[in-house]
Amino acid sequence: GAGVSQSPSNKVTEKGKDVELRCDPISGHTALYWYRQSLGQGLEFLIYFQGNSAPDKSGLPSDRFSAERTGGSVSTLTIQRTQQEDSAVYLCASRPPGQGHGYTFGSGTRLTVV
Amino acid sequence: SQQGEEDPQALSIQEGENATMNCSYKTSINNLQWYRQNSGRGLVHLILIRSNEREKHSGRLRVTLDTSKKSSSLLITASRAADTASYFCATDAGSNYKLTFGKGTLLTVNP
Repeated sequence: GAGVSQSPSNKVTEKGKDVELRCDPISGHTALYWYRQSLGQGLEFLIYFQGNSAPDKSGLPSDRFSAERTGGSVSTLTIQRTQQEDSAVYLCASRPPGQGHGYTFGSGTRLTVV
Repeated sequence: SQQGEEDPQALSIQEGENATMNCSYKTSINNLQWYRQNSGRGLVHLILIRSNEREKHSGRLRVTLDTSKKSSSLLITASRAADTASYFCATDAGSNYKLTFGKGTLLTVNP
């Protein structure tokens, strides 16, 4: 596609439920990143995928968070047993290989845990 | 932890004026980038400046980088109401080009 696509755009879930957020990056972009942004805050790095390499999971806040990227393309971020502090906008970005490229961000998923 | 810190946190100007936002960071970097965000959703990449560059222009945007002071500035000339947005600087320092973002500057351009 022309851009990075994220779904759903909005998700309201009950505390304790699991949620799955999807990201479809730009074709040919080997690098994929997940960030989250709480209200009025900057972006917090969560996880990074690059080709077939092991992902950099250093930003995941707890073991309730996991992500996978199938076939080097679509990625799913899963949050198990959601808590109210998980409420945020979850942003996905992709980038072409090599240096000197900016990220292309999706429009994000606004997650609200009630 | 935040690598980039933008200054000021908020800036309000009149249409036609220039807007200057600053960013400071803590560690050595590969690149520094500026992004714009409207309405708290997706970010749009504006400009990238490499660590060996000192100044870069793109349309009404001018970015400077001073690696000795670990700081950068973004100048938007002849601002328009449509420039109203949050502006973030982001730096990458490792081989995975993972960006670390500041908390942003909220720019309001009044018509």
